[in-house]
Amino acid sequence: SAVISQKPSRDICQRGTSLTIQCQVDSQVTMMFWYRQQPGQSLTLIATANQGSEATYESGFVIDKFPISRPNLTFSTLTVSNMSPEDSSIYLCSVLILGTSGTNEQFFGPGTRLTVL
Amino acid sequence: AQSVTQPDIHITVSEGASLELRCNYSYGATPYLFWYVQSPGQGLQLLLKYFSGDTLVQGIKGFEAEFKRSQSSFNLRKPSVHWSDAAEYFCAVGLIQGAQKLVFGQGTRLTINP
Repeated sequence: SAVISQKPSRDICQRGTSLTIQCQVDSQVTMMFWYRQQPGQSLTLIATANQGSEATYESGFVIDKFPISRPNLTFSTLTVSNMSPEDSSIYLCSVLILGTSGTNEQFFGPGTRLTVL
Repeated sequence: AQSVTQPDIHITVSEGASLELRCNYSYGATPYLFWYVQSPGQGLQLLLKYFSGDTLVQGIKGFEAEFKRSQSSFNLRKPSVHWSDAAEYFCAVGLIQGAQKLVFGQGTRLTINP
């Protein structure tokens, strides 16, 4: 398993500003992910954070809007840039813990609840 | 395209009653299936997973799920719910190496009546 923390846990921001969310894991992990959960919706994968290289973004998400850093194997940041009310969501990071025989699992952080006014 | 459907958006059961949450998936290969629970203000916690073998899998908190390939289903069950089970439940299918890429269903919100 893994213990994952996120900062901040919640924030209220003004439109046009940017917010950087931090994700810290208690052990080194190869793969880290960022998800968005819009109000009343399911989780949508934003990107895979790659250590030492640019993140891999899913369709509909771009680096200019959601820049991601992954300086080491235990830490990542997601920035939500030039925010609008439509960016109000819960943002979650997760990590992939590899087991034997493909029994890997994703463990999730507690999430960051963002409200944009 | 791969997808997960949870037909019930909201379910209400009485405390002590049995529970079944439905999940259907669409995926061409052998699926890796997961159930997660999200309590209010919390992140997601893995309840159980299916990779292969016995189609009835046991999870934490007294939950179990049964994989039925013929029905493309992976329904979650609990024989007797507790008030603390009130939460949002998500079914997911893993597309790459098990859990590397997850596609989630819309979720089912569970309310428990005292």
